[in-house]
Order: sequence, then C-alpha cells, then structure tokens
Amino acid sequence: AQSVTQLGSHVSVSEGALVLLRCNYSSSVPPYLFWYVQYPNQGLQLLLKYTSAATLVKGINGFEAEFKKSETSFHLTKPSAHMSDAAEYFCAVTRGGGYNKLIFGAGTRLAVHP
Amino acid sequence: EAQVTQNPRYLITVTGKKLTVTCSQNMNHEYMSWYRQDPGLGLRQIYYSMNVEVTDKGDVPEGYKVSRKEKRNFPLILESPSPNQTSLYFCASQNSNTDAFFGQGTRLTVV
Repeated sequence: AQSVTQLGSHVSVSEGALVLLRCNYSSSVPPYLFWYVQYPNQGLQLLLKYTSAATLVKGINGFEAEFKKSETSFHLTKPSAHMSDAAEYFCAVTRGGGYNKLIFGAGTRLAVHP
Repeated sequence: EAQVTQNPRYLITVTGKKLTVTCSQNMNHEYMSWYRQDPGLGLRQIYYSMNVEVTDKGDVPEGYKVSRKEKRNFPLILESPSPNQTSLYFCASQNSNTDAFFGQGTRLTVV
C-alpha cells in the first residue's frame, strides 16, 4: 500500500524567505513522486515529479524537491518566496509508469505575507 | 490547446435530485479518472476508466456512477445526491507516457 503524509496543513512565510513544504511517503515498490499546486478556483498544476532518475528534481516557478530514500521524504523547497506562490500544495505518490492511481497527501496551504 | 473540460464549475442541488457532471478531454487519452477533494483529506479517487467501456471503482465509489461510451468523455453521475457528497470534484486524463491533466474542478453543494 502507498500513502503520503504532508506535515503542516498551513505554512506561512514572509516574502523573500525560504519555502519548505514537507512530504513523507510510504511505498512497498519504488515510487514515483509528484508535487502539484492549486491556485484559488483552479485545477491542479504539476510543479515537478520524481521518476527514479536524478534525486534532485527542479520544477516550474523556481521550486525543487529532493528524493531521499533513507528518509522516505520528498520535501519541496524554494529559496525565495513570492506573493504569487500563495496556494495549496499537494504531494502525491504512484506505483510507477503507466496508468496508476495517484495517492495524494492532505495538502499544505502556503501563505506569503509582505 | 490541450485541456480537460468539466461542466458545470459550480452546482447547488437538493438531496435526491439526480445530476451529472461532464468531463471531456481533447488529447485522445485512454485513461480518465474522477477525484473528490475534501479539506484535510486531499484528493481521493472515485472511479477510473482504462478505455472505452472499461471502468472500475477507486477508493470512494459509493453513491457515484460513471460511463465511458466515447474516449473523450467520462461523465460522473450522482443518482441520489446526499449532503456528504458536497465536495470539489476533479476529472483527470492521461496516457501511459504522459502526466495526468486535471480539469478546473466542479464545486458541488448538496442541501
């Protein structure tokens, strides 16, 4: 069975500060891992994904995540937060390539204040 | 433009009144699925379809039906909606070599 835990349902940072959103996963098979972002009244947009290649994955809008097998983690970071980063972020895991159900975490709402 | 289109975006209905949320994709994807999003629970899969006339239950299928008569369309049917089906619903589509594309969401309120 696979599962995802996102630590912190709400995270608040100042503009220009480091963004760190935590994700831990559980998987009995090598996982594929994803971060999605949801802006208000919009669908989910893929930020980045890990598919067993490089462990440090760079995504859109300056975000990156590092796959750490020993810690079963896939934390999302951005060096300097912008106001436009305010959104809800979801970590997800799946079994691998092809048609596989995405298992989502509960989500983390990021607030960015001036 | 590649997209997944859901309609309606917002819907308020009464308990027991049948409704359908439509989902259409223009990317010729084989795999389509429906998720519901609830606070503190993330997204959970309701139903999925591997291809035309092939559908199967996800994690939370109770109270829902789907059909896949054409490759591009995957409607979600609530035959007798109840208040616990008040939620934000997302349709997604993909092929084996692509990421999942999500629709804009349908916010359903059942009173």
